[in-house]
Amino acid sequence: DTAVSQTPKYLVTQMGNDKSIKCEQNLGHDTMYWYKQDSKKFLKIMFSYNNKELIINETVPNRFSPKSPDKAHLNLHINSLELGDSAVYFCASSLGRSLNTEAFFGQGTRLTVV
Amino acid sequence: GNSVTQMEGPVTLSEEAFLTINCTYTATGYPSLFWYVQYPGEGLQLLLKATKADDKGSNKGFEATYRKETTSFHLEKGSVQVSDSAVYFCALSGSYDMRFGAGTRLTVKP
Repeated sequence: DTAVSQTPKYLVTQMGNDKSIKCEQNLGHDTMYWYKQDSKKFLKIMFSYNNKELIINETVPNRFSPKSPDKAHLNLHINSLELGDSAVYFCASSLGRSLNTEAFFGQGTRLTVV
Repeated sequence: GNSVTQMEGPVTLSEEAFLTINCTYTATGYPSLFWYVQYPGEGLQLLLKATKADDKGSNKGFEATYRKETTSFHLEKGSVQVSDSAVYFCALSGSYDMRFGAGTRLTVKP
């Protein structure tokens, strides 16, 4: 059983296109996150959601729009893709209200914009 | 806001050498602290954690102690193996928030 699953694993697309990445967790967690990892491995938080409510929006361009239909899903839609959006995007989940529990990560989606 | 500062590396060691990766943090309140490991092509996995001051987290020979007085959580291992080659991330938890350091790439040579 995959705890946090995201699809697709690889995504190659042209500049200007719109794409979505899906994420699902079966851990019963109330908080989900999106992170962007650049080529230097720096991991930057983009969004966090708690029970479908946006908690953190870390100065991400408006072209990025997260959507949480329920607390087990957090999808990321990206409009008008740019070359600089190329990165690995990680979904994660945790019991956000508890500071003692760790985040569980998906396997990542490698996005390449050409 | 919460933040983590981590020794960036890269770090290259010979097998059986001693490893230290420094991590310091800035936080309001009393966060938990974590070390994650990322192997090539994979997501992040929890390596160890500590939830309060003076706690020591340990796993697979790795250790880190939560030092409130120095706001540090340095990762150590007494004898590294080639299989420990990976990227290591220090992290801290806030409410509905988890922040990571810049990551340290470790390469262990036989």
